[in-house]
Amino acid sequence: GAVVSQHPSRVICKSGTSVKIECRSLDFQATTMFWYRQFPKQSLMLMATSNEGSKATYEQGVEKDKFLINHASLTLSTLTVTSAHPEDSSFYICSARAGNYEQYFGPGTRLTVT
Amino acid sequence: AQKITQTQPGMFVQEKEAVTLDCTYDTSDPSYGLFWYKQPSSGEMIFLIYQGSYDQQNATEGRYSLNFQKARKSANLVISASQLGDSAMYFCAMRAPEYGNKLVFGAGTILRVKS
Repeated sequence: GAVVSQHPSRVICKSGTSVKIECRSLDFQATTMFWYRQFPKQSLMLMATSNEGSKATYEQGVEKDKFLINHASLTLSTLTVTSAHPEDSSFYICSARAGNYEQYFGPGTRLTVT
Repeated sequence: AQKITQTQPGMFVQEKEAVTLDCTYDTSDPSYGLFWYKQPSSGEMIFLIYQGSYDQQNATEGRYSLNFQKARKSANLVISASQLGDSAMYFCAMRAPEYGNKLVFGAGTILRVKS
């Protein structure tokens, strides 16, 4: 199956700083990438959808100025959590899809804001 | 109505036994896809099985099978011969034009396999 990587797998940052998470499709070109957030023992919540070369579409209630998404190429999307606060601590998962086919998930990034 | 409903927050099963994880869905689209994912404690989402709404037969993948009852809008996952490594969170998901063709997830079911 196709492989999606995320980096870093874990990150700890201080409150008020920004942190960038990378999502890469390693062996296919992803026309669409998705970013999810997951709290412990809860389901995945879609934050935003990004198509290569265009602005991300954010789900209702997700602050676009806080969660900056860039999908600059067909293999790379980044999520930047700006001015992070402890309540932003969560598990962030990206997913990539080529066309209208299967969606492949990255291994996730655990963010802890102290 | 909830788009995807998983009514079992947690399930226990004895090793080597079969277990059914329930999932019901709601969409008015005639064409849609149903997915099951496994999420172990490591957090990665592992794709298990897919059922298309027009598929005539229930999907099967090794020890996983999907009991698709279209009229009831249910897509239960059956795991046969449970193994200790099956202990994980399981999510049912749907993709349908009505929801922008984005995956919509259920709340999940935590499965614990007992030895």
